[in-house]
Amino acid sequence: LAKTTQPISMDSYEGQEVNITCSHNNIATNDYITWYQQFPSQGPRFIIQGYKTKVTNEVASLFIPADRKSSTLSLPRVSLSDTAVYYCLVGDMYNQGGKLIFGQGTELSVKP
Amino acid sequence: KAGVTQTPRYLIKTRGQQVTLSCSPISGHRSVSWYQQTPGQGLQFLFEYFSETQRNKGNFPGRFSGRQFSNSRSEMNVSTLELGDSALYLCASSPDSIEQFFGPGTRLTVL
Repeated sequence: LAKTTQPISMDSYEGQEVNITCSHNNIATNDYITWYQQFPSQGPRFIIQGYKTKVTNEVASLFIPADRKSSTLSLPRVSLSDTAVYYCLVGDMYNQGGKLIFGQGTELSVKP
Repeated sequence: KAGVTQTPRYLIKTRGQQVTLSCSPISGHRSVSWYQQTPGQGLQFLFEYFSETQRNKGNFPGRFSGRQFSNSRSEMNVSTLELGDSALYLCASSPDSIEQFFGPGTRLTVL
């Protein structure tokens, strides 16, 4: 399972776009990149998952360069309610079952 | 559809006791995983059950055990509690092991 590195914390203001980059130099061919969001005293919530290039859903976008050694989660026009910890996970989701390996995460603080 | 439910939400025990936590997955989900979250170690995988069989296991001592019933409900047991077992215990269910749906957790305090 590939190790991930993300910034420990980030600050932003309401209405701004936030980009959180995750480094995963040892990503394997079968590995997918998944992002989860966690609010205090709650379980993590799935945000987005991708394998290569760009994935977009109603909440966020995920940018993955061709070498797949990093990825960037983009949150458009953040609000105060986006204040949370964001986790980048890398793994063979189809074969590792429910075994998710969480890193330290990025604590995002959105200010008014 | 109802989400993942965990009971109890809060629990206080003393050292040496044992505890059983319960998790009811989303209807139709056959995979149930358990995680421990502490400020020092973060989110750590405990084990996963699929169709009543343990499919994956994390690096926790044998005091931590679990099981899954035929209706996919799962229980986790911790015996001989230690102070360091104080944590938020999270249960997650999944229909396909790709997206995990987490419950609100059980906050266990060991005194």
